[in-house]
Amino acid sequence: QVQLVQSGAELKKPGASVQFSCKTSGYTLTHYYMHWVRQAPGQGLEWMGLISPGGDFTIYAQKFQGRVTISRDTFTSTLFMELSSLRSEDTALYFCAREGASASKYFDYWGQGALVTVSS
Amino acid sequence: QSALTQPRSVSGSPGQSVTISCTGTSSDVGGYNYVSWYQQLPGKAPKLIIYDVNKRPSGVPDRFSGSKSGNTASLTISGLQAEDEADYYCCSYAGTYIHYVFGTGAKVTVL
Repeated sequence: QVQLVQSGAELKKPGASVQFSCKTSGYTLTHYYMHWVRQAPGQGLEWMGLISPGGDFTIYAQKFQGRVTISRDTFTSTLFMELSSLRSEDTALYFCAREGASASKYFDYWGQGALVTVSS
Repeated sequence: QSALTQPRSVSGSPGQSVTISCTGTSSDVGGYNYVSWYQQLPGKAPKLIIYDVNKRPSGVPDRFSGSKSGNTASLTISGLQAEDEADYYCCSYAGTYIHYVFGTGAKVTVL
């Protein structure tokens, strides 16, 4: 069955960087767009960016341009997302999500989320 | 890009129907038939319940239904059950510049 298992919670200081991982299984990573979505405490969902099935391009929400990098390792079927220059407003739960087949424009499977707390 | 507008809360008694609206613009909800809905239980990941405006994934009860008129999409839960108490988010594809925009979220309370 399809599973997306994310790395654990992180505590970071302002200005630092954080890298999340999302181990996928039950399907072929190279056949699907993969996304990152975040949710600040008590707030709604916010789309951050995606990586193409071939890994040949990434697209980031304008808000995160220059601070976010999405990558993947096809040998381990693992997705990564690095967010740099952290500030307190980046404290949130970060989810990886799979886009449905054939660039379907919805997210059919989600990781369990990974919390990052940014505090001095 | 602003979030899609949803009511903050919606409530109903067991067995009743509730409808959650999701208002965007002609650049997102009104421009594409790519509206999806997600149910989020406390402390859990979102779960897809509606895609392409009105399609249900396998395993989602048919009391969940979606529709769209103009720039507003709607999710209706018919025959409300206690287990439906959760947060619900809409999401729309918004073209090749913005890509995806989520709604502000609506909390459904079963009275």
